[in-house]
Order: sequence, then structure tokens, then C-alpha cells
Amino acid sequence: AQTVTQSQPEMSVQEAETVTLSCTYDTSESDYYLFWYKQPPSRQMILVIRQEAYKQQNATENRFSVNFQKAAKSFSLKISDSQLGDAAMYFCAYNNNAGNMLTFGGGTRLMVKP
Amino acid sequence: NAGVTQTPKFQVLKTGQSMTLQCAQDMNHEYMSWYRQDPGMGLRLIHYSVGAGITDQGEVPNGYNVSRSTTEDFPLRLLSAAPSQTSVYFCASSWGANQPQHFGDGTRLSIL
Repeated sequence: AQTVTQSQPEMSVQEAETVTLSCTYDTSESDYYLFWYKQPPSRQMILVIRQEAYKQQNATENRFSVNFQKAAKSFSLKISDSQLGDAAMYFCAYNNNAGNMLTFGGGTRLMVKP
Repeated sequence: NAGVTQTPKFQVLKTGQSMTLQCAQDMNHEYMSWYRQDPGMGLRLIHYSVGAGITDQGEVPNGYNVSRSTTEDFPLRLLSAAPSQTSVYFCASSWGANQPQHFGDGTRLSIL
């Protein structure tokens, strides 16, 4: 079974600065998908970014980018120019190529200081 | 466009009671899933469906039943509620395997 580990329970960043959230995963598969989801206090689950394992290029969505290291099984999220609205729980998730079953990490709480 | 709609938003049950959490989506998605989120943890998959008439178990299926008679609806049934099932439940849907899932707003369930 796949496992996803987020080793930082909490992180804080100053507004306008950059922060990186870590995620590692364990799998024996070669083709899979990785996601970062944001959960604000409203508890909605919001997709931040998606990475396909067969693509070497790191995904980017505006201020959000990933550093995908397939050999190291690492998938970190970089948030640039942090904003107060970025404060939330962030979850890393793994999806194998066989279906639609997401395996989530335990989450990282991000605090943004004004 | 409503997306994924879950009802109710909050529910309190007594141990041993049964209930159904409703989930409906209006995006014509084939894939639907149920997750639970316990305090301080990520979501864990309970059951999922890849189309009408097809369901399968996820990581934590015990104590829950599902059915998928239509593309739109995917109800989750608690057969005999237990305090260990106190959690926030999320329903999600997507148009295909490995595609981003759209989540409902969740149902907070407390079992006394």
C-alpha cells in the first residue's frame, strides 16, 4: 500500500515571503499522480496543483509550484509571495494509475504572519 | 452549477442508530468517493465508485455501506453508529481516473 508522509505539522511564513512544504511518498509503481490540496478553516478541499509522474517538468500554478523528485519520491510545494489567504492546512495526496483512490498525508498547517 | 452537494452539514446520532449521508453531483462525473477526516489527520478513503452500479471498498470500509444506482447520487449508510465513527465526512467526484476530485463541503457527524 502507498503511504504519504508530511513531516512538518506546522509552518509559518511572513507575508510576501516564500515557503516550501515537504511531502514524501512510498510506492512501487512507476506511473501515478500527485496532488496538493488546500483546506482553509471553512474545511473546503481545494485543489492547488497536480503533477503527473511521467512528466519531468515541474507543475506550476501562478504562485504555487512543485519540486518533483521521482527517484527520491519527494513532492514539495513552494508558495511564493505568500498572502494572508494562503493560511490553511495543506495536504499532499497520491493517486495510482489504476483508479481514483487518493491516499493523503497527515497535513501541514501553514500560518502567514502579516 | 452546484458541484458536489452533501446533506446534512451537521448531525448528532446516538450509538446504534443508523443514518444515510447524501451526496449528489451535477457534473456527470463517473467517479465518486467517500472519505472521512479525523481531527489532525488527512482524509481516508471509505468507499468509491467508478460508475453507476459499481462500488468498491477503500481503506476504512467497515461499518459503512454504499450503493450507486444513478450517476448523480452516491449515498453513504452507517448501519449501526459507533463513537469511533465520529468524524467529518467528505464526498468527492471526478470525470475520470487520476483527474482532480471535486469535494463537497463535508458533513460533521458526532456519535454519542
